[in-house]
Amino acid sequence: EVQLVESGGGLVKPGGSLRLSCAASGFTFSSYSMNWVRQAPGKGLDWVSSISSSSNSMYYADSVKGRFTISRDNAKNALYLQMNSLRAEDTAVYYCARVSVATYSEWYFDLWGRGTLVTVSS
Amino acid sequence: DIQMTQSPSSLSASVRDRVTITCRASQSISSYLNWYQQKPGKAPKLLIYAASSLQSGVPSRFSGSGSGTDFTLTISNLQPEDFATYYCQQSYSTPPTFGQGTEVQIK
Repeated sequence: EVQLVESGGGLVKPGGSLRLSCAASGFTFSSYSMNWVRQAPGKGLDWVSSISSSSNSMYYADSVKGRFTISRDNAKNALYLQMNSLRAEDTAVYYCARVSVATYSEWYFDLWGRGTLVTVSS
Repeated sequence: DIQMTQSPSSLSASVRDRVTITCRASQSISSYLNWYQQKPGKAPKLLIYAASSLQSGVPSRFSGSGSGTDFTLTISNLQPEDFATYYCQQSYSTPPTFGQGTEVQIK
């Protein structure tokens, strides 16, 4: 079955760290760019970070730049998000999402995990 | 960053109604526009990509149109399972940005 499964969420104090993982299965993980997208409770979707298929390129939202690090291990079919210096405003469900590309380079998130909840609170 | 603005923020409709949701970009994004459906407690699901291409497995009552700055998602013959929140997203430039969402409620 083609799927993404996130793990690693939980309750952490402000200033703390957490590492999220996303396990991919059912497709050739190494062929796809991957992203993290988050959703604060009751709010909309907010892109966090992306990484190219071979880890050559990484991008971050300004709100997490310098605090979060995206990485992947293609041998293990795994995507990661290392989150440091966490703030209350980082509280959200974190989704990993696969990118597919259409005919004229239009791209889209075509596969999403079920998400993992990160709560930053003292 | 490109801002995406959806309207309305919420709407009430009945089964078998035709529903239209609008998404406007703060600058031209050609056809780099995607639509997602999200139900409570679930992950988003891709409906439409490249403004008007229907994702495999998505019912044909969903359609998308537009280019440049103005886009539309139309649901014809609304079904009970379509009551959800819908988001547009631009993939023209980094960072990719989403609209604030449109909640489709049962009248």
